[in-house]
Amino acid sequence: DVLMTQTPVSLPVSLGGQVSISCRSSQSLVHSDGNTYLHWYLQKPGQSPQLLIYRVSNRFSGVPDRFSGSGSGTDFTLKISRVEPEDLGVYYCLQSTHFPYTFGAGTKLELK
Amino acid sequence: QIQLVQSGPELKKPGESVKISCKASGYTFTDYAMHWVKQAPGKGLKWMGWINTYTGKPTYADDFKGRFVFSLEASASTANLQISNLKNEDTATYFCARWTDPYWYFDFWGPGTMVTVSS
Repeated sequence: DVLMTQTPVSLPVSLGGQVSISCRSSQSLVHSDGNTYLHWYLQKPGQSPQLLIYRVSNRFSGVPDRFSGSGSGTDFTLKISRVEPEDLGVYYCLQSTHFPYTFGAGTKLELK
Repeated sequence: QIQLVQSGPELKKPGESVKISCKASGYTFTDYAMHWVKQAPGKGLKWMGWINTYTGKPTYADDFKGRFVFSLEASASTANLQISNLKNEDTATYFCARWTDPYWYFDFWGPGTMVTVSS
């Protein structure tokens, strides 16, 4: 199985600040079709996950441009600028290049 | 609008069975696969597998082969997850999630169904 390693586990932030979350995979996420199926989700307390970024760097419908994704191969980053209260929760990366699909362990974004 | 509505929480004893439903609305059910994801209390997300909503063929991740069954009531736009011979470690919230081709992500999720297994 592809191991997805997210860092940090916990990320204290001040409102209005900027943060980065790293997600590293144990093998390349480039599919044989040339695409990279790495996505980012946010799970707010008591809710189901919501899609933020798909295929590394594409913002899902309605996601503010404060969220951006980058990376390639095995190394990926989610950046959040001008953090707002509704951004707090647990962020997960997901790879759907290889079976079984696997999630990172999560990064909890919380107020300092 | 697109919605996935899941059945309510369940409290079961070890060895019993449970069936969770996920009713879709707002889109053509058979156009999108349905996946299932497990989240144990305070833990992360684990992909369980998926069901082809057009053919009804299920695919299971290795950890979910044997006691777990994905099924459909296509006429009711509903996907089901049945777990038999429940164990304490099955205590978790189970999410259904719609899969989107060709981008290969889950775009809509159900609210989750909490299953508690306790004697």
